Amino acid sequence: EVQLVESGGGLVQPGRSLRLSCAASGFNFGDSAMHWVRQVLGKGLEWVSCINWNSASIGYADSVKGRFTISRDNAKNSLYLQMNSLRTEDTALYFCTKWLAGLEYWGQGTLVTVSS
Amino acid sequence: AIQMTQSPSSLSASVGDRVTITCRASQGIRNDLSWYQQKPGKAPKVLIYAASSLQSGVPARFSGSGSGTDFTLTISSLQPEDFATYYCLQDYSYPWTFGQGTKVEI
Repeated sequence: EVQLVESGGGLVQPGRSLRLSCAASGFNFGDSAMHWVRQVLGKGLEWVSCINWNSASIGYADSVKGRFTISRDNAKNSLYLQMNSLRTEDTALYFCTKWLAGLEYWGQGTLVTVSS
Repeated sequence: AIQMTQSPSSLSASVGDRVTITCRASQGIRNDLSWYQQKPGKAPKVLIYAASSLQSGVPARFSGSGSGTDFTLTISSLQPEDFATYYCLQDYSYPWTFGQGTKVEI
């Protein structure tokens, strides 16, 4: 069974940093493109970032480019999102998701709240 | 960035109705589009990928069509479990972008 479990969310002050993690199991993580998608509670979905299997291809939303860094450790079956210079508008539920035929598998999300 | 304009933002429908949701891309995206259903408190679920391919396990009442800039998600006969919010996503080029969502209500 495919499982994606996000962690690392919490309350953080504007301008500070946070690192999200996603632990993957039940599939060959090292072969999979992985994504982060976020959602302000009660609002729509926003694609944040993605990384291909060998980290050679990476993309970011314009809203996070230069502040967020996606990475992965295939030996640990883990995906990461380093979030720097956080803003109040980064407050959202962050989902880790796996691409296959569409964004096929999703975690339950980790909540990031940016507030003073 | 490619803009995805989804319409309507909400609609009211009844069980058995045929429902159509559209997404328009600000530039051509071939067939690099997928559709998602999200229910409150749950992660999204992929329904359609590559514009018209039905994801395994998704009921056949869901269908997708379109290519280039104009895409459609159709629910042929709305069921009670279909009341949810639907999103399109273009995966043609970075940054990928979602439509604003369509809430299907009774």
